[in-house]
Amino acid sequence: AQKITQTQPGMFVQEKEAVTLDCTYDTSDPSYGLFWYKQPSSGEMIFLIYQGSYDQQNATEGRYSLNFQKARKSANLVISASQLGDSAMYFCAMREGIPGNQFYFGTGTSLTVIP
Amino acid sequence: DGGITQSPKYLFRKEGQNVTLSCEQNLNHDAMYWYRQDPGQGLRLIYYSQIVNDFQKGDIAEGYSVSREKKESFPLTVTSAQKNPTAFYLCASRPPGAGGLNTEAFFGQGTRLTVV
Repeated sequence: AQKITQTQPGMFVQEKEAVTLDCTYDTSDPSYGLFWYKQPSSGEMIFLIYQGSYDQQNATEGRYSLNFQKARKSANLVISASQLGDSAMYFCAMREGIPGNQFYFGTGTSLTVIP
Repeated sequence: DGGITQSPKYLFRKEGQNVTLSCEQNLNHDAMYWYRQDPGQGLRLIYYSQIVNDFQKGDIAEGYSVSREKKESFPLTVTSAQKNPTAFYLCASRPPGAGGLNTEAFFGQGTRLTVV
C-alpha cells in the first residue's frame, strides 16, 4: 500500500485565491511526521511546513497552513492568497517513528496559478 | 553558505557505461539520501545512509551502488545493470533530530541523467 497518496495530478487556481492540495497517508505507527515540499521548475526541493502526529494545532507558516485531520489520515496543504510564484510541483511526505529513517513521498500535485 | 552540492547538473551517458553522481554536504548532517524522480511517480528512495561506512537499500536499489567513506560525501553510481537510468536524481541530508521527527530533509539541486 502507498504510504502517501496525492490524488490531484494537476490543479489550477486564480491569483489571490486560496487553494487546497490533498494528501492522505497510511501508517500504523502512532508517532509520525508529515512534511510538504515545493519543487519549482528548476528542480530544487523547498521545505514548506511540518506537522507532527501529536501536535494539537494545525501547523501554519506564513501563507501555508496544514489542515490535519488525524482520524481521516489526511494532511492537506492550504495556500492562501496564491501568487504566480506558487506555480510548482508540491509533494507531501512522511516519516514514521520506527525506525524514522526514511521519508516517503507522494506523487505530487502540479499547481498552476492563473493571472 | 552551508548546503548540499550535486554535480554535475546534467549528465549524459552511453548505454553500458557506469556513471557516478556526486553529492557533498557541509551541513554536518549524519543522514544522507538518494532519490530518483520520474514524471508522475514522485520521489523514490534508492539508498540512504545514517552514518559513515553504513548504508541501506531503499525501494529501488537494483542497478545502483553507493559509498559513505566521509560524512560529507555520498556518491551514487549508476551501473550498467540499471535498465532505465534516465531520470532526475536528488540527494538529500537530514540533521539529527534529538529524538523527534520534525527535522526536514535538505535537498541538493539535482542531477538530470540522460542515457544516449
